Amino acid sequence: KAGVTQTPRYLIKTRGQQVTLSCSPISGHRSVSWYQQTPGQGLQFLFEYFSETQRNKGNFPGRFSGRQFSNSRSEMNVSTLELGDSALYLCASSLLSTGLAGYNEQFFGPGTRLTVL
Amino acid sequence: DAKTTQPNSMESNEEEPVHLPCNHSTISGTDYIHWYRQLPSQGPEYVIHGLTSNVNNRMASLAIAEDRKSSTLILHRATLRDAAVYYCIPGTGNQFYFGTGTSLTVIP
Repeated sequence: KAGVTQTPRYLIKTRGQQVTLSCSPISGHRSVSWYQQTPGQGLQFLFEYFSETQRNKGNFPGRFSGRQFSNSRSEMNVSTLELGDSALYLCASSLLSTGLAGYNEQFFGPGTRLTVL
Repeated sequence: DAKTTQPNSMESNEEEPVHLPCNHSTISGTDYIHWYRQLPSQGPEYVIHGLTSNVNNRMASLAIAEDRKSSTLILHRATLRDAAVYYCIPGTGNQFYFGTGTSLTVIP
């Protein structure tokens, strides 16, 4: 079965612009989580969506937002881009959401490399 | 969320066993211990997980200390394809807190 896909794979923007990244989870998965990876801070959790509702949110400013559609596809948006937003943005899909019983493996996509100039 | 301590880097010769340690002394009673790895230019991928007992799968083994404050990921025969950053992640749910991980170099 197809894995997690993220589009675009690479993106270059300038400061002050906004950007939207897309994530299509594995078929049947209803949870999508987003992470930011930078050399300085490593992998940091942004937020999780399940059944179109945000379930958890990491410690990021309000410029970072997301949403999930009824087909479980998710988008994240960053407004007013700053140089420090340059990073690899990863999404992960899983069958279950936080708080539901049972082990829940997360499957990561290849990421979107965002460069802010 | 439990904090983890892992060696920054380790080396292994190809086809030899590798033991990757992780300390997670603040783990809570219901936290799983997940291990993921990230190969160069890829997203992280699942390796193994456990709760209290040692676990084996086709990729690796996981040895969990009796007090659950530490664990060791065991790769039985390292291959070049195992060169990656290995993360141990205590927790429940999908909100993972990745530490700095251990960068494993496999020497041919």
